[in-house]
Amino acid sequence: EAGVAQSPRYKIIEKRQSVAFWCNPISGHATLYWYQQILGQGPKLLIQFQNNGVVDDSQLPKDRFSAERLKGVDSTLKIQPAKLEDSAVYLCASSIGTGGETQYFGPGTRLLVL
Amino acid sequence: AQTVTQSQPEMSVQEAETVTLSCTYDTSESDYYLFWYKQPPSRQMILVIRQEAYKQQNATENRFSVNFQKAAKSFSLKISDSQLGDAAMYFCASSGGYALNFGKGTSLLVTP
Repeated sequence: EAGVAQSPRYKIIEKRQSVAFWCNPISGHATLYWYQQILGQGPKLLIQFQNNGVVDDSQLPKDRFSAERLKGVDSTLKIQPAKLEDSAVYLCASSIGTGGETQYFGPGTRLLVL
Repeated sequence: AQTVTQSQPEMSVQEAETVTLSCTYDTSESDYYLFWYKQPPSRQMILVIRQEAYKQQNATENRFSVNFQKAAKSFSLKISDSQLGDAAMYFCASSGGYALNFGKGTSLLVTP
């Protein structure tokens, strides 16, 4: 079965520009997660979707970050405007449901903000 | 809230030897799950092993096993017969049934 797909793999932008990342989860997975992984740290949850509804976005900087999963399948994460501290790897993961199900991760998008 | 602590930033092991990576956690959840994930230099996060906290039996997956001490809130990973391909960042994570809470990771170096 196909894994979690993400694009682009790399992105370099200047501060105050906008950027968008795309994620396509494993087919049939109802739950989708976006994590931010800053260099040298473990991933931190930004937002969790269950189908097309938001379960948890408590750590999403809503003044600049937004995410959607309109049809309950693929998802986009946007940053506008970007700051230097947003430089990180953005990981998308999916799972069949919640309740401790295994999460499967995509390859990530590495963002560098100059 | 859940916190996960990995006290070993780096570990080294010789090929064919055994190494143990440490992890402690704190949670207020009565039902929770614990995971070890591996992140090779290509950065794709891969599940190594999963443990349901209500199960007393330690999980095993081939050369990988855990020592789950619920009272001590400890969840260490043992890698037996280490191989060069085991070199990676290893993250311990906990979940109360939703998102994962990760530790800072342990970088494992495997020497020939």
